[in-house]
Amino acid sequence: EDQVTQSPEALRLQEGESSSLNCSYTVSGLRGLFWYRQDPGKGPEFLFTLYSAGEEKEKERLKATLTKKESFLHITAPKPEDSATYLCAVHNSGYSTLTFGKGTMLLVSP
Amino acid sequence: NAGVTQTPKFQVLKTGQSMTLQCAQDMNHEYMSWYRQDPGMGLRLIHYSVGAGITDQGEVPNGYNVSRSTTEDFPLRLLSAAPSQTSVYFCASRYQQGTGELFFGEGSRLTVL
Repeated sequence: EDQVTQSPEALRLQEGESSSLNCSYTVSGLRGLFWYRQDPGKGPEFLFTLYSAGEEKEKERLKATLTKKESFLHITAPKPEDSATYLCAVHNSGYSTLTFGKGTMLLVSP
Repeated sequence: NAGVTQTPKFQVLKTGQSMTLQCAQDMNHEYMSWYRQDPGMGLRLIHYSVGAGITDQGEVPNGYNVSRSTTEDFPLRLLSAAPSQTSVYFCASRYQQGTGELFFGEGSRLTVL
């Protein structure tokens, strides 16, 4: 059974204070690992897909990395508008479906 | 190009009532799915479909019914609503082949009294 565990559950940062979110996963065959951003009252919005260990992707202040057991979402010099819940999901190569973690709620204070 | 459209956005039901949550996508995606999101539980898959006429159960299918008569539409039916079905429901779609990222609708908030 695929498992995705995200930590911490919640993170509070000051504006400009860099940090990382963790996504640990167990999957028999990884087809892809996804990061999503979700704002309150909205649907998840796609950020990144990572396919193999060692891969990195960047978008503005966000950088996602992948190892064989976990992924990190690094947030550099965050701004209040980065406040959201960040979701991680894995796609098992043997199935059509995605398995999601419970998310990390990020709050960036000015 | 509207993406994934869900209706209604909000609904209040009484226990035992039935209703249908509508989902439509205009991206010609083969794969469509329904998730529910509850505090502390994350997104859990209810049902999914890999194409017209094909549906399958996800992690939490009990109390829900789906059908897929067209590529564009994937309605979710609550047969006899229960308070445990109070949740936010998301429809999501993607290409069956390819990189696999899901595109989500804005959600439907359902309260069952």
